Amino acid sequence: QVQLQESGPGLVKPSQTLSLTCTVSGGSINSDSYYWSWIRQPAGTGLEWIGRIHASGSTIYNPSLKSRVNISKDTSKNQFSLKVDSVTAADTAVYFCARNGAAFDIWGQGTMVTVSP
Amino acid sequence: QSALTQPASVSGSPGQSITISCTGTSTDVGGYNYVSWYQQHPGKAPKVMIFDVSNRPSGVSRRFSGSKSGNTASLTISGLQAEDEADYHCSSYTFSNSFVFGTGTKVTVL
Repeated sequence: QVQLQESGPGLVKPSQTLSLTCTVSGGSINSDSYYWSWIRQPAGTGLEWIGRIHASGSTIYNPSLKSRVNISKDTSKNQFSLKVDSVTAADTAVYFCARNGAAFDIWGQGTMVTVSP
Repeated sequence: QSALTQPASVSGSPGQSITISCTGTSTDVGGYNYVSWYQQHPGKAPKVMIFDVSNRPSGVSRRFSGSKSGNTASLTISGLQAEDEADYHCSSYTFSNSFVFGTGTKVTVL
């Protein structure tokens, strides 16, 4: 079955760029049927959708984060990635990658990213 | 875009039914039949319980049901069980071709 796994640094300094990768196994990110999303969750709060990418390479971002976020994909590695620029403490959260069909139906386990000097 | 509004907490005794509301606007919940609900146990990833307002994915108990009226969607859990104790999040597609989540609801089984 399809599985997703996030990876990347757990600690990022303020003003730097947060970079995460999601590796997809058991299925192809080139499937026209799905988008691939990033979602985050600060401690003790709700979920926040960050953005998504389609097999075609088209992307859509949360309007509130659009100026700082970039999502890309590497078809050869069956991975998609997230970059968030100019991070602050407010970007500290658990970051999830998820498959986006009719719903966010398959999720990675999540990875904690802390923004701290 | 503002988060959808959910009650912070809902509780019920085993066997009872509870309903969680999710209130948005005409540009998200009220404008599209693309509301989904997620169950999240502590330290775990969310799991989809309902999609497209009222559809259950394969393997999800029939005790979970969804509906929508105007700008408010609802998730009902009938025959409440101890394993239902978790956080629940709603989500909706929006007019800007993006998604918005709710504030989250903690369900406690008394």
